[in-house]
Amino acid sequence: EVQLVESGGGLVQPGGSLRLSCAASGFTFGSYWMSWVRQAPGKGLECVANIKQDGSEEYYVDSVKGRFTISRDNAKNSLYLQMNSLRAEDTAVYYCARGPARANAFDFWGQGTMVSVSS
Amino acid sequence: DIQMTQSPSSLSASVGDRVTITCRTSQSISSYLNWYQQKPGKAPKLLIYAASSLQGGVPSRFSGSGSGTDFTLTISSLQPEDSATYYCQQSNSTPYSFGQGTKLEIK
Repeated sequence: EVQLVESGGGLVQPGGSLRLSCAASGFTFGSYWMSWVRQAPGKGLECVANIKQDGSEEYYVDSVKGRFTISRDNAKNSLYLQMNSLRAEDTAVYYCARGPARANAFDFWGQGTMVSVSS
Repeated sequence: DIQMTQSPSSLSASVGDRVTITCRTSQSISSYLNWYQQKPGKAPKLLIYAASSLQGGVPSRFSGSGSGTDFTLTISSLQPEDSATYYCQQSNSTPYSFGQGTKLEIK
């Protein structure tokens, strides 16, 4: 059974940093692209970052470029999101998702971790 | 970046109704269009990928169609458990953008 379990969310002040983690199990982690997708309270979904199987390619939405870094450790079956210079508009539930996979869809999702940026 | 326009933003329908949700993209994406269902407090769930392929375990009352810039998600006979928000997502080019969502309520 595919499982993705996020951790690391919490309350942080504007300008602060946070590192999210996603522990993967039930599939060959190193064979898949992985992504972070966020959802602000009461809002829609936004794909924040993607990383290739071997970590050699990364993509970011413009709003987080230069502030967020996606990374992975295939030996530990783990995905990470380092978030620096956090802003109020980064407040959201952050989901770890497997993919882009078949047809570049996100076929499995974690339960999400909440990040709140406020003074 | 590719812009997504999903409609309607909300709708209310009765059990047994046929429901259609549409998604339009700002440029052609071939068949790189996916549909997700999200229930309150839960993660999104993939329903349809590549415009018309049913994800494993998804009931056959869900179907998708379209190519290019115009796509539809159809629920052939609405069930109470289908109450949720539905999102389309283009996967043709990064950033992989989502529609704004359609909130489906059961009358």
